[in-house]
Amino acid sequence: EVQLVESGGGLVQPGGSLRLSCAASGFTFSSYWMSWVRQAPGKGLEWVANIKQDGSEKYYVDSVKGRFTISRDNAKNSLYLQMNSLRAEDTAVYYCVREGILTGSSFDYWGQGTLVTVSS
Amino acid sequence: DIQMTQSPTSLSASVGDRVTFTCRASQTIDSYLNWYQQKPGKAPNLLIYAAASLQSGVPSRFSGSGSGTNFTLTISSLQLEDFATYYCQQTYRTPLTFGGGTKVEIK
Repeated sequence: EVQLVESGGGLVQPGGSLRLSCAASGFTFSSYWMSWVRQAPGKGLEWVANIKQDGSEKYYVDSVKGRFTISRDNAKNSLYLQMNSLRAEDTAVYYCVREGILTGSSFDYWGQGTLVTVSS
Repeated sequence: DIQMTQSPTSLSASVGDRVTFTCRASQTIDSYLNWYQQKPGKAPNLLIYAAASLQSGVPSRFSGSGSGTNFTLTISSLQLEDFATYYCQQTYRTPLTFGGGTKVEIK
């Protein structure tokens, strides 16, 4: 069974940092692109970043470029999101997502999400 | 960036109704269009990928169509468990963008 379990969320002050982790199991992690998607309270979905199987390619939404860094450790079946210079508008539930191989890069498995709150 | 526009933003319907949502891309995305269902407090769930392919385990009352810039999601006979918010998403080019969602409520 595919499982994605996020951790690391919490309350942080504006300008602070946080590192999210996602533990993957039930599939060959190193074979898949992975993404982070966020959802602000009461709002829609926003793709944040993704990373290629070997970590050689990374892409970000403009609003987090230069502040967030996506990374992965295939030996540990783990995905990470380092978030620096956090702003109030980064407050959201952050989902770890697998991009399907045979499904047009659709997001076929999602974690349960971890809440990040940026507030003083 | 490719903008995704969904309509309507919300609709009221009854069990058994046939409902159709639309999603429009600001430029062509071929068939790189996916649909997700999200219930309150839960992660989204993939329904349709590549515009018209039904994800494994999703009931056959869900169907998708379209290509280029115009896409539709249809529920042939609405069930109680289908009351939720539906999002379209393009995976043609980064940044990967979602539509604003269509919320389906009970009439």
